[in-house]
Amino acid sequence: GAGVSQSPSNKVTEKGKDVELRCDPISGHTALYWYRQSLGQGLEFLIYFQGNSAPDKSGLPSDRFSAERTGGSVSTLTIQRTQQEDSAVYLCASSPTPWGRNGYTFGSGTRLTVV
Amino acid sequence: ELKVEQNPLFLSMQEGKNYTIYCNYSTTSDRLYWYRQDPGKSLESLFVLLSNGAVKQEGRLMASLDTKARLSTLHITAAVHDLSATYFCAVDQRSQGNLIFGKGTKLSVKP
Repeated sequence: GAGVSQSPSNKVTEKGKDVELRCDPISGHTALYWYRQSLGQGLEFLIYFQGNSAPDKSGLPSDRFSAERTGGSVSTLTIQRTQQEDSAVYLCASSPTPWGRNGYTFGSGTRLTVV
Repeated sequence: ELKVEQNPLFLSMQEGKNYTIYCNYSTTSDRLYWYRQDPGKSLESLFVLLSNGAVKQEGRLMASLDTKARLSTLHITAAVHDLSATYFCAVDQRSQGNLIFGKGTKLSVKP
């Protein structure tokens, strides 16, 4: 596609429920990243996929967070048993090369509100 | 651990004035990015700086990178209201492939 597509754009969920956020990167981009943006913490790295390599999960804040990338394309970020502190904007980015040598393109984000 | 510091965090300017936003980072890196974010919107790429001494300009914005000083600057020339936004710098953690962001500089340009 023309850009990085994320869905849903907004999600309100009750505390304790699971949520799935989707990211469709730019076609052909081998690298895919999830970040989250919150007022208190700013922009934080969550997870990074590069081709078929094992993902770098070093930024995931807890074991309630997981992500997968199917067929080297679409990625899903899953948050289990959501907590109020999970409320944030979750941003997906993709890059045509490893290490972002050609820059990163961000999607519009999913605004998650946990009530 | 790589840390990225921006200053100022808030900047109120008058139209027509010049100013510079600074981005310092704590460990060696030769890739630095500047992004713009409008309220409620995502991050828009402004500049990709890939080597020491790199300088890029787009309109009223110019970015530079000094890898020896671990410093990048974003210079605004003759500011206009349309430049009002939050500006982020981000540094590539080369060994890990992800970006570390500064806290952002919220720029407000007043007529």
